[in-house]
Amino acid sequence: GENVGLHLPTLSVQEGDNSIINCAYSNSASDYFIWYKQESGKGPQFIIDIRSNMDKRQGQRVTVLLNKTVKHLSLQIAATQPGDSAVYFCAETAGNQFYFGTGTSLTVIP
Amino acid sequence: NAGVMQNPRHLVRRRGQEARLRCSPMKGHSHVYWYRQLPEEGLKFMVYLQKENIIDESGMPKERFSAEFPKEGPSILRIQQVVRGDSAAYFCASSPIGTANTEAFFGQGTRLTVV
Repeated sequence: GENVGLHLPTLSVQEGDNSIINCAYSNSASDYFIWYKQESGKGPQFIIDIRSNMDKRQGQRVTVLLNKTVKHLSLQIAATQPGDSAVYFCAETAGNQFYFGTGTSLTVIP
Repeated sequence: NAGVMQNPRHLVRRRGQEARLRCSPMKGHSHVYWYRQLPEEGLKFMVYLQKENIIDESGMPKERFSAEFPKEGPSILRIQQVVRGDSAAYFCASSPIGTANTEAFFGQGTRLTVV
């Protein structure tokens, strides 16, 4: 299958700082990308998505950036809060499947 | 509108037994996806189903695993003759249309433990 990988497996940030989580993807034909948040013992929860005809999309405290040239996706979380502590997955769609990376575990230090 | 419902949340089976995992998609959703997640790992695609049809089962192990999504009732992921390596969290997701350009909503998962 396609490989969607993350640069860093863990990330610790101070409460109130901004967080940046990175993701590399390999399928240049992928045209839709999603960030999911997974808290311990729960299912993945949609955060934000972006289509390949865009390079930036903003939500509430979150921004996703897409660089198709280098096949790189990032999630920026502004003013990180303790409730943001979770594992974050990026996913790309190609055909019928979502391809997920291993995930980045974000820990927010109070 | 209830979300994706999976049951049971936790399932313990002895080696050699059968495991049945159920997934009820969100109302109005006719597309279901099953994923497996091992501890500290990402989500691995298993199968994609529409009502009464298997669309893509490229992620399913060739033996012991099967899935269905009947016209009525939940989607079922069935694992026969379970082995310890089947222990994992199994997540179901649903969408109103196929994955292309739409998000999928996940259930809370079924955690299977094989003893």
